Amino acid sequence: DQQVKQNSPSLSVQEGRISILNCDYTNSMFDYFLWYKKYPAEGPTFLISISSIKDKNEDGRFTVFLNKSAKHLSLHIVPSQPGDSAVYFCAASDTSGTYKYIFGTGTRLKVLA
Amino acid sequence: SQTIHQWPATLVQPVGSPLSLECTVEGTSNPNLYWYRQAAGRGLQLLFYSVGIGQISSEVPQNLSASRPQDRQFILSSKKLLLSDSGFYLCAWKGAKNIQYFGAGTRLSVL
Repeated sequence: DQQVKQNSPSLSVQEGRISILNCDYTNSMFDYFLWYKKYPAEGPTFLISISSIKDKNEDGRFTVFLNKSAKHLSLHIVPSQPGDSAVYFCAASDTSGTYKYIFGTGTRLKVLA
Repeated sequence: SQTIHQWPATLVQPVGSPLSLECTVEGTSNPNLYWYRQAAGRGLQLLFYSVGIGQISSEVPQNLSASRPQDRQFILSSKKLLLSDSGFYLCAWKGAKNIQYFGAGTRLSVL
């Protein structure tokens, strides 16, 4: 049972435009969500997070939106840059427990120059 | 500052051979530690986590085991590797604000 889903395996965007990456979850106990960026042959690096008490969190070019009723979150990158090309993973956690993450399968973003 | 080290970076092993991957964390004490695997074309799957020395929780029944002999050391092992054990193995520790920080990973190829 895939509790965290990223239904788009890949996405291509022109440089300077907005990239929108989506993530859906099924477990209503999840209360903390994160986005990670991963380059090939490297470990994921933390990008941005959001608690379930918020519906938006912004950090520079990156904004995460959370829609709890729809169990959906999205990552917006504006403007997109070629260096943003990577695989993006969303992760969800139930912070009342052992802080285990459940990861989605990732979306490969390609920003075209 | 905290750092996490994983080694080796790449490993090629024959089927049936043993495995030992090591992860160490510096700059923090008693961290929660995690082992993940990313199989080809798939997401990150949590294999084991540990909240303290000698405390290991297994998430997925498999051919692997984990140990935590010291506070900041986490080891992933196997007695006999299978072809299906191939993948990219990642160690992580939990820092402030419930954020996990990952090592550089080990690419394991079982042939």
